[in-house]
This record gives sequence, structure tokens and C-alpha cells, in this order.
Amino acid sequence: DVVMTQSPLSLPVTLGQPASISCRSSQSLVHSDGNTYLNWFQQRPGQSPRRLIYKVSNRDSGVPDRFSGSGSGTDFTLKISRVEAEDVGVYYCMQGTHWPPLTFGGGTKVEIK
Amino acid sequence: QVQLVESGGGVVQPGRSLRLSCAASGFTFSSYGVHWVRQAPGKGLEWVAVISHDGSNWYYADSVEGRFTISRDNPKNTLYLQMNSLRAEDTAVYYCAKDGDWGSRMDVWGQGTTVTVSS
Repeated sequence: DVVMTQSPLSLPVTLGQPASISCRSSQSLVHSDGNTYLNWFQQRPGQSPRRLIYKVSNRDSGVPDRFSGSGSGTDFTLKISRVEAEDVGVYYCMQGTHWPPLTFGGGTKVEIK
Repeated sequence: QVQLVESGGGVVQPGRSLRLSCAASGFTFSSYGVHWVRQAPGKGLEWVAVISHDGSNWYYADSVEGRFTISRDNPKNTLYLQMNSLRAEDTAVYYCAKDGDWGSRMDVWGQGTTVTVSS
């Protein structure tokens, strides 16, 4: 199974400042079809998860452009250019290249300093 | 709008069974694969199972293989998860999530239903 490792576990951020979350996979996520199936999800307190980014860098409809995804191979990053209060929550990466099983990272908790 | 609504959760004794449902609306249900994902209290997300758009293919996590069965009724726009031989470690919020276009996974999630396995 592909292991997804996120860092940091917890990320205190000042409002208006940038934030960056790392996600590393135990093997390359490049699929034989040429795509890289790496998603990012946000889970606000008390809510269900919401997809933010798919295939590394494609933002879902309605997702603010302060969120961006990048990376390749085994190394991926989610960036928030200027953190807002509504961004508090836990962020998960997930790979869909080598499945089953689909696997999630352990999560990164973003909180306001 | 696209919506998924889970139901069927509850408190159940170890070894017993429970069936979860996920009612879909706002999209062509029969065109998309659908997943069950769970989250134990205070823990992260764990993929449980997936079924293809037409119900002809399905896959499970090792932790539930042989005990859980995923199925769907496309005319009723409903996804199911039959859970047998439940264990304490199956206690979690269970979410259904649909696949998106172009092979993207889990673009829309339901609000979840809580399963508690306890004597």
C-alpha cells in the first residue's frame, strides 16, 4: 500500500500570513495514463471533508484562489497564500493512483495563532 | 445541487450487523463510482470501499474485506454498505463520496452517519 506522510502535524498561522503543508508518498504517484492522482481535502471543525484540489493542482469549483497545489512524483504541497479565519481545520492529502486501497495522509491541523 | 445524504447509523453490539444508506440527488447517479470513507473518533480518514458506476466492480480495504458489502441501486439513486460481524474498531462516522469527472476521486461528500459498536 502507498503510505502518505504529511507534515507538519499542526500548523499555527497568523491571519493574513501564508501556510504550507507537505505531503509525501512512499512511491511515485504518476499513473501509467500520465496523470498524477493526488487530491487535497479540507475538513473544518464539525463538518464533513471537502475537496479543494484534484490531480495535484486543479482547484475545485468555489475554492478560493488563495489555495494552490503543486508537486510531482512523490512530493506535494498545499499552499494557502493568506490564511483567513475560515481556513481553520484539518487538511488531508489522498492518493488515487495505486489502488486499492486509496490512501490518505494523517492530516495537518491548521489553527490561528 | 449535488447532494449525498447518509442514514442508518446507530449503536450496535459487537458481532451484529447494520446497513448504511446514501441517497444521491442532483446528478446522474448511475454515471459515477461511489465510495465509503470512515473516520474514527478523533482520527483521520480511512477509505473503506468503492463501487463502480454500474455496480459491476467493487473493492474493499483489508480491514473490512469479508465483513462489509458495498452495493448500489441505480434506479433508486442509493448506495449501501452492509456491515456484518461488527467490531469496536468499526466505530466511526461513515461518509459516502462520489467520484468526479476525468478520473478525479471524491469530489462531493455527504454529511456522514455515526456507527457505534459497543456492548
